[in-house]
Amino acid sequence: GIQVEQSPPDLILQEGANSTLRCNFSDSVNNLQWFHQNPWGQLINLFYIPSGTKQNGRLSATTVATERYSLLYISSSQTTDSGVYFCAVTGGGNKLTFGTGTQLKVEL
Amino acid sequence: DAGVTQSPTHLIKTRGQQVTLRCSPKSGHDTVSWYQQALGQGPQFIFQYYEEEERQRGNFPDRFSGHQFPNYSSELNVNALLLGDSALYLCASRGQGRRTEAFFGQGTRLTVV
Repeated sequence: GIQVEQSPPDLILQEGANSTLRCNFSDSVNNLQWFHQNPWGQLINLFYIPSGTKQNGRLSATTVATERYSLLYISSSQTTDSGVYFCAVTGGGNKLTFGTGTQLKVEL
Repeated sequence: DAGVTQSPTHLIKTRGQQVTLRCSPKSGHDTVSWYQQALGQGPQFIFQYYEEEERQRGNFPDRFSGHQFPNYSSELNVNALLLGDSALYLCASRGQGRRTEAFFGQGTRLTVV
């Protein structure tokens, strides 16, 4: 099956800093989504981005499907951005395969 | 528009017991999937239901079974609970087609003692 790797595994930022999270996947995909998991476990949809670039406020994402990677950019980080960020992809079927996540902590 | 809803939010069971978790999909969605998330790991796919049938299954034993009802809601049943079944169970729904976005419920945190 498809393998998904995320980097870095852990990230500590000062409030206001920018960051880039990376997701590499091992095969062609039909879908790619970025999620933010809050401390209560809720997976919050950030982007549905099988290809191209999207922006939503301080967040943006780019997927280069031909090179099998996606990037999530967080600008002017805030303490509320803390949590785990997951990249998840689907290949031939509809099941989502998740990466191991990036644990982000934003400090004052 | 209600999103994906799951019940209960927390549950404590004894080893060997059986448990049923419930999920109502987002309005307009007809496909429901279940995931297990152990502490510190990413969610792992259990199975997917569409048109009341199991369509795809992950690497989970037969103790894990499910059902989808005509209103698209779904249940996840786990028999003969083991301590290792303690996890966050997440339900996701999506519309038809391969290129559709999945949305998740808030999860059910199951503790087996």
